[in-house]
Amino acid sequence: EIVLTQSPATLSLSPGERATLSCRASQSVSSYLAWYQQKPGQAPRLLIYDASNRATGIPARFSGSGSGTDFTLTISSLEPEDFAVYYCQQRSNWPRVAFGQGTRLEIK
Amino acid sequence: QVQLVESGGGVVQPGRSLRLSCAASGFTFSSYGMHWVRQAPGKGLEWVAVIWYDGSNKYYADSVKGRFTISRDNSKNTLYLQMNSLRAEDTAVYYCARDRVAVAVYYWFDPWGQGTLVTVSS
Repeated sequence: EIVLTQSPATLSLSPGERATLSCRASQSVSSYLAWYQQKPGQAPRLLIYDASNRATGIPARFSGSGSGTDFTLTISSLEPEDFAVYYCQQRSNWPRVAFGQGTRLEIK
Repeated sequence: QVQLVESGGGVVQPGRSLRLSCAASGFTFSSYGMHWVRQAPGKGLEWVAVIWYDGSNKYYADSVKGRFTISRDNSKNTLYLQMNSLRAEDTAVYYCARDRVAVAVYYWFDPWGQGTLVTVSS
């Protein structure tokens, strides 16, 4: 079973600042990693797939990087609407796909 | 635009059954793999099941295998989740989600429906 560990659990930043979220896999998932954003009371939204590809309609301020076991989601300059919970997800050993526990990005 | 609308949630006693539906529109439903993903109250996301675009393959999370059945009716553009022998730990919002790519299954979920809440309680 591949376990994804996200850090930090909570990140407090101000609009305009740069956000860096981490996701670490217990074993290599190659580049088979995605990131999702979930706002309160809403369904998740796909941001990044295959570690670094932005999904349709996702602003350029969102970027993903990494491969193997260490991955990063970067938001270059936070907008007010970016404060949400972010999940990483791997599909390396489908059908046993897994999500990380989430990082809450809150306004400082 | 692409739309997924779940229905069928509610309160059910432990051991009973419930069937969820997901009505799809705005895309060629028969060309996409479809998934169910759930989220317990205040918790993270858990993938539940997938069905290939043509219904030829189905896979389940270990936590629901043998109790839940995923199916689809491509003539009705509808996805289903039959949930039997429900347990308290199955309490969650259940989302249906389309696979990102047509005629393949990549386990990237895009987009998602708004979810339907299932509460298992006596």
